[in-house]
Amino acid sequence: GAVVSQHPSWVICKSGTSVKIECRSLDFQATTMFWYRQFPKQSLMLMATSNEGSKATYEQGVEKDKFLINHASLTLSTLTVTSAHPEDSSFYICSARDLTGQGGFYAQHFGDGTRLSIL
Amino acid sequence: DQQVKQNSPSLSVQEGRISILNCDYTNSMFDYFLWYKKYPAEGPTFLISISSIKDKNEDGRFTVFLNKSAKHLSLHIVPSQPGDSAVYFCAASTSGSARQLTFGSGTQLTVLP
Repeated sequence: GAVVSQHPSWVICKSGTSVKIECRSLDFQATTMFWYRQFPKQSLMLMATSNEGSKATYEQGVEKDKFLINHASLTLSTLTVTSAHPEDSSFYICSARDLTGQGGFYAQHFGDGTRLSIL
Repeated sequence: DQQVKQNSPSLSVQEGRISILNCDYTNSMFDYFLWYKKYPAEGPTFLISISSIKDKNEDGRFTVFLNKSAKHLSLHIVPSQPGDSAVYFCAASTSGSARQLTFGSGTQLTVLP
């Protein structure tokens, strides 16, 4: 099945640091990837849609200068949290669509997420 | 404005019995629905989906039912197994190039041995 790898799984860093999270589709190509944020006991909130070769589309209320997204290839999207602060601490999850897989055009396949803790 | 709602935050079921997880939505433009299962510290795993042109889709122990008039869908798991214990999210999508998903808040299912 479609596998999405997300790295790192957990990162702890000081306030003011920039943190890069990678999302890779391992056995399929993904022209579109998605970045979510999840707060404890809450739903997944879409932050942005990452499009290969073009600018990401951000959801309302998400600062694009704060959360930089780059989708340089069909298998890799990165999310960089710039000048991270404690309020940015959260669980970040990426997903990608495998157009040929189960669920087809609609289903997204998720990475295992990144737990970000800013001290 | 919560367009996809899962009103039961938790559900406990005895092993071997049926688990029924419910989901309601408000946006009549949703035309595709999905269920995901999530273990702690992992990403959601796709389970089963249904198009709005259908009212039922079955895959092994999992069946999803869609009632468009009531804007309601449900996931049935029969028989329930302890390994099914997880958080279940329903998600909905509208037609459009991005096909973004809108998620409910999840239901924690606990299957008791």
